[in-house]
Amino acid sequence: AQSVTQPDIHITVSEGASLELRCNYSYGATPYLFWYVQSPGQGLQLLLKYFSGDTLVQGIKGFEAEFKRSQSSFNLRKPSVHWSDAAEYFCAVVRDSSASKIIFGSGTRLSIRP
Amino acid sequence: DAGVIQSPRHEVTEMGQEVTLRCKPISGHNSLFWYRQTMMRGLELLIYFNNNVPIDDSGMPEDRFSAKMPNASFSTLKIQPSEPRDSAVYFCASRLLAGGSSSYNEQFFGPGTRLTVL
Repeated sequence: AQSVTQPDIHITVSEGASLELRCNYSYGATPYLFWYVQSPGQGLQLLLKYFSGDTLVQGIKGFEAEFKRSQSSFNLRKPSVHWSDAAEYFCAVVRDSSASKIIFGSGTRLSIRP
Repeated sequence: DAGVIQSPRHEVTEMGQEVTLRCKPISGHNSLFWYRQTMMRGLELLIYFNNNVPIDDSGMPEDRFSAKMPNASFSTLKIQPSEPRDSAVYFCASRLLAGGSSSYNEQFFGPGTRLTVL
């Protein structure tokens, strides 16, 4: 069955430090991959997505993610975090373009240390 | 673009009462999703519609939950009777079904309805 694993429940980084949030998926083919962010009291907002092509994708708010087929990973990165990046981050996968259901990971909560 | 609109934003009710949550998808979108988010279970898909037709309701927890989409611009999620364990944030999301096989249009989420059942 398709699944998404976010191994880190909670991460704290200092403002200005770099960030990497981990995401692994289990599916034989190359799925469609997403990262969403949820600020406190808000809905989910799409940060970036990967379908094919260049394995390094750029998103909004200075985030990027790299698809690594050999590791079944799609880790999210940011070179320098800001206090406003404190939020919950969800990795998600869709089997293929004909599928409607998104499978979400359990989320990683990011806290920023002043 | 108004985005996905949900109402009410907050609902407090007593156990046994009927609760109706409402969603207006983004204009032109033809696929709509209802999710529930709790600390214990995370984000769960309850049901989704394509072109106003329910496609998969396997996530609906029990018969107390029902969802309808009478037209392309409106959907409701009803809980009757409500129970304290139904307390959660309920999200609605919509997307445009892709016409081709080489793309996937992402879901856009509403701000959610925070439901508290006392």
